[in-house]
Amino acid sequence: EIVMTQSPATLSVSPGAGATLSCRASQSVNTNLGWYQQKPGQAPRLLIYGASFRATGIPARFSGSGSGTEFTLTISSLQSEDFAVYYCHQYDNWPRTFGQGTKVEIK
Amino acid sequence: QLVESGGGLVKPGGSLRLSCVASGFIFSSYTMNWVRQAPGKGLEWVSSFTSSNFIYYADSLKGRFTISRDNANNSLYLQMNSLRDEDTAVYYCVRGSGGFDPWGQGTLVTVSS
Repeated sequence: EIVMTQSPATLSVSPGAGATLSCRASQSVNTNLGWYQQKPGQAPRLLIYGASFRATGIPARFSGSGSGTEFTLTISSLQSEDFAVYYCHQYDNWPRTFGQGTKVEIK
Repeated sequence: QLVESGGGLVKPGGSLRLSCVASGFIFSSYTMNWVRQAPGKGLEWVSSFTSSNFIYYADSLKGRFTISRDNANNSLYLQMNSLRDEDTAVYYCVRGSGGFDPWGQGTLVTVSS
């Protein structure tokens, strides 16, 4: 099983500032990597697929990068609606696995 | 759109069948998945049923869960047997073989005596 490790667990950011979230895979997942945003009481929402492609309707301030085992989600200027939990997810191998999440909170 | 149903309160050792009805896309062309989230915890992939009729399960389920689909009725199912306290979670129905999208609103399964 591929283990996905996200860091940090919690990120405190001021509105308008940027944020960088990391995800590391225990073995290569190529670019078969997605990022999701989840707000309290809501289902997750796909932000990024293929490591760097924004899903439909996702603002340009969200960007993804990386390949192999190291991935990054960057939020260029945090808006109030961006404070949430973010998960990475590999779909290169079975079983599919998720990272444990990074909570982005207001500083 | 994906709409789940069938969740509820069940005693340990009991069974429950979850359903998911899809609309707005060609259901038979897509891999469909179940993902769960225990209270206050992260996301856990449960099972997938591909458009080519391959089935995959999380190892932790140890044969207790069975996924099925009915393409004629745009429906996905999850039969859950021998339920344990640790199966308590919101269960999401999700489309996709790559990025998971969209997600249903989820159905809560509570296993408790």
